[in-house]
Amino acid sequence: GQQVMQIPQYQHVQEGEDFTTYCNSSTTLSNIQWYKQRPGGHPVFLIQLVKSGEVKKQKRLTFQFGEAKKNSSLHITATQTTDVGTYFCAGSDDGNKLVFGAGTILRVKS
Amino acid sequence: NAGVMQNPRHLVRRRGQEARLRCSPMKGHSHVYWYRQLPEEGLKFMVYLQKENIIDESGMPKERFSAEFPKEGPSILRIQQVVRGDSAAYFCASSPSRVEQYFGPGTRLTVT
Repeated sequence: GQQVMQIPQYQHVQEGEDFTTYCNSSTTLSNIQWYKQRPGGHPVFLIQLVKSGEVKKQKRLTFQFGEAKKNSSLHITATQTTDVGTYFCAGSDDGNKLVFGAGTILRVKS
Repeated sequence: NAGVMQNPRHLVRRRGQEARLRCSPMKGHSHVYWYRQLPEEGLKFMVYLQKENIIDESGMPKERFSAEFPKEGPSILRIQQVVRGDSAAYFCASSPSRVEQYFGPGTRLTVT
């Protein structure tokens, strides 16, 4: 079945440093979504990418969808303490269910 | 517009008892998804429902677990004869269009 791998599992950065998490799917995706979950909280939708090679920006966050629609990345420029949490990618190859990656836990030291 | 509501937020059950988890989707959302999350792990898809229909239950164990989304009322995830391994956070999400999903606060199930 479809699998979504996400790396790294953990990332500790100094406030102001950049952060990137990578997502790879075993199958070609129809779309990929990114979510953020704060400690003790629930996942919150960030963005959806649909087109091959698509790049979207939200303030300090940059999202990319690979040309083959099998990988994606989230890059945060100049991290802040409010960026702390777990970032999940989630891909769908059938339009019905999302398969989530295991997430990247981001810790930011001030 | 109220968000996705789940209750109870915390549920403690002894082994062998039944657990019923409720999810009220956002107003106007007809798609409901259930996920299970173990500590420091990702979300595992369990089931996708639309009103009165199960669309995809490929992530749900065949035994002891069932889900419904009746015409009236919340979606229910039911776990019969719970075991310790069922302890987890169960999240419900709703969507208006099978695009972005809006998650509820989750139910933390503890089986003693």
